[in-house]
Amino acid sequence: GAVVSQHPSRVICKSGTSVKIECRSLDFQATTMFWYRQFPKQSLMLMATSNEGSKATYEQGVEKDKFLINHASLTLSTLTVTSAHPEDSSFYICSAEGPLYGYTFGSGTRLTVV
Amino acid sequence: SQQGEEDPQALSIQEGENATMNCSYKTSINNLQWYRQNSGRGLVHLILIRSNEREKHSGRLRVTLDTSKKSSSLLITASRAADTASYFCATDWNNDMRFGAGTRLTVKP
Repeated sequence: GAVVSQHPSRVICKSGTSVKIECRSLDFQATTMFWYRQFPKQSLMLMATSNEGSKATYEQGVEKDKFLINHASLTLSTLTVTSAHPEDSSFYICSAEGPLYGYTFGSGTRLTVV
Repeated sequence: SQQGEEDPQALSIQEGENATMNCSYKTSINNLQWYRQNSGRGLVHLILIRSNEREKHSGRLRVTLDTSKKSSSLLITASRAADTASYFCATDWNNDMRFGAGTRLTVKP
């Protein structure tokens, strides 16, 4: 079956630094990747949709300059949280859409900003 | 890695029929959530059921949870062509979510 690798699984960083999260489809080409964020005790919130080779489409209220998304290849999308602040601490998860396998989720990244 | 397993992987029914999808998981949970995803779109949150709840309803949706069997089911009654989508269950344990592989539902008009 389809596998999506997301890493790091956990990261702690200092305020003001940037953190990059990778989402990689291991055995299929992902035409579209989605990035989600989960606040404690809430459901996932879609942050942005990225298509390979084009700019990401951000949901309303998501800061484009703060959450940089790059989908440079059909197997890799990255989310960079720039100038991180404690309120950015959250659980981030990606999912990838492939032509045959439908949607596959990464294992998520727990970000803690101190 | 994904925790939940949905079955069936694919389901095709006629409009008006009921659709039942199942989800099994392996570890403890705080809650279990069901989502829908249409092609090319992001997830849409359908319903959340807490670990101390056994059944919840929302419109044409009915979700059950059996923590002793570590399983949940999603029932869509009186299905419509617009219900065609992929459906995922997700377990939430201490704010870490794990998704199943999903069920692809096709509702034929």
